[in-house]
Amino acid sequence: EAQVTQNPRYLITVTGKKLTVTCSQNMNHEYMSWYRQDPGLGLRQIYYSMNVEVTDKGDVPEGYKVSRKEKRNFPLILESPSPNQTSLYFCAVAGGNIQYFGAGTRLSVL
Amino acid sequence: GESVGLHLPTLSVQEGDNSIINCAYSNSASDYFIWYKQESGKGPQFIIDIRSNMDKRQGQRVTVLLNKTVKHLSLQIAATQPGDSAVYFCAEWAGANSKLTFGKGITLSVRP
Repeated sequence: EAQVTQNPRYLITVTGKKLTVTCSQNMNHEYMSWYRQDPGLGLRQIYYSMNVEVTDKGDVPEGYKVSRKEKRNFPLILESPSPNQTSLYFCAVAGGNIQYFGAGTRLSVL
Repeated sequence: GESVGLHLPTLSVQEGDNSIINCAYSNSASDYFIWYKQESGKGPQFIIDIRSNMDKRQGQRVTVLLNKTVKHLSLQIAATQPGDSAVYFCAEWAGANSKLTFGKGITLSVRP
């Protein structure tokens, strides 16, 4: 069964405290990406990765970092979170033209 | 710029009726069009897709129609059930090395 696992599912933090949201897949697919979902704005891509050590900016990369040291993992890093990064985050893995989404991480930055 | 959008933010249908959710797109270079369903508290789930060289594709109780002339995509759900209540997103993808662009989503509410 295709699985995209994100952790944590819920996170409350304070402005400026570095955090990492992890994402892992069991499908051996090359393409992985991060989205944020906000009311009225839909899903917007933050970063994506075509393969190991290959990452690129999406539509809203400011304030985020990613790394792709191995195929199965694609962590999202917020070095200095701010309240405008309060959102629902999804990791996705693409197999062909189909993207499989994780269950989401709800982040609140106070 | 290129965008994918939906005509209506909400749709309410009677259980058992057919639902039609519409979507407009503007990137004529897109190769694939995809419908996703997002239930409360979950990530988007793939429903059905269609390639740009097709006009219609059918799945189980769902049909996607593509009209390239007017850049319009629709999702038809037959005999709508309470479990179909969710937010539906259309998305377009121009193929390898491109990104998936989502519409803003429409809420389908099924009345018992």
